[in-house]
Amino acid sequence: EVQLLESGGGVVQPGGSLRLSCAASGFTFSTYAMSWVRQAPGKGLEWVSAISPAGATFYPDSVKGRFTISRDNSMNTLYLQMNNLRAEDTAVYYCAKADGALLKSGPGHWGQGSLVTVSS
Amino acid sequence: DVVMTQSPLSLPVTLGQPASISCRSSQSLVYSDGNIYLNWFQQRPGQSPRRLIYKVSNRDSGVPDRFSGSGSGTDFTLKISRVEAEDVGVYYCMQGTQWPYTFGQGTKLEIK
Repeated sequence: EVQLLESGGGVVQPGGSLRLSCAASGFTFSTYAMSWVRQAPGKGLEWVSAISPAGATFYPDSVKGRFTISRDNSMNTLYLQMNNLRAEDTAVYYCAKADGALLKSGPGHWGQGSLVTVSS
Repeated sequence: DVVMTQSPLSLPVTLGQPASISCRSSQSLVYSDGNIYLNWFQQRPGQSPRRLIYKVSNRDSGVPDRFSGSGSGTDFTLKISRVEAEDVGVYYCMQGTQWPYTFGQGTKLEIK
């Protein structure tokens, strides 16, 4: 059974940093694309980043230069390093798994989410 | 970025009646490989999103056959043939043809 367990969320001041982790199990982690998708309180879904099995990374303009997605295939873990955080980054961050090497069909599995609150 | 526009944003439905959600993209979602990467997700209250449909009309494993997807080019539809209580939640379309991938605003389905 696929399991994705996020951790690392919390409260951080504007301009601060936070690193999210996603522990994956139940599948061969190194062969799947992975992503982070966030949801601001009461709002819709927004892609934050994606990473291919080989480590190619993708970001929307809203987080480019501030967020870094990475993966440790030996530890079956996905990361999201978030720097220079802003109030508008406040959201639940979901770790999500592709069906294969691409995410074009959308994530077939999602974690339970980790809440990040940016506030002074 | 490709803008995904859903309608309606709120959908009150009587139990047992059909429901339909429209999703329009600001540009064609036909990818160079010939596939159309238009997907549908359901988010029940308090839960993580769950994919229902991928590549326009392919139902995920375990998704009831009362859910169906259709469309082409820039116009797509999610249909529920007979709404059940467990279908309450927010439905999102999502395009995976062009990065950044984008979601629609969401359609909130409630029981009348």
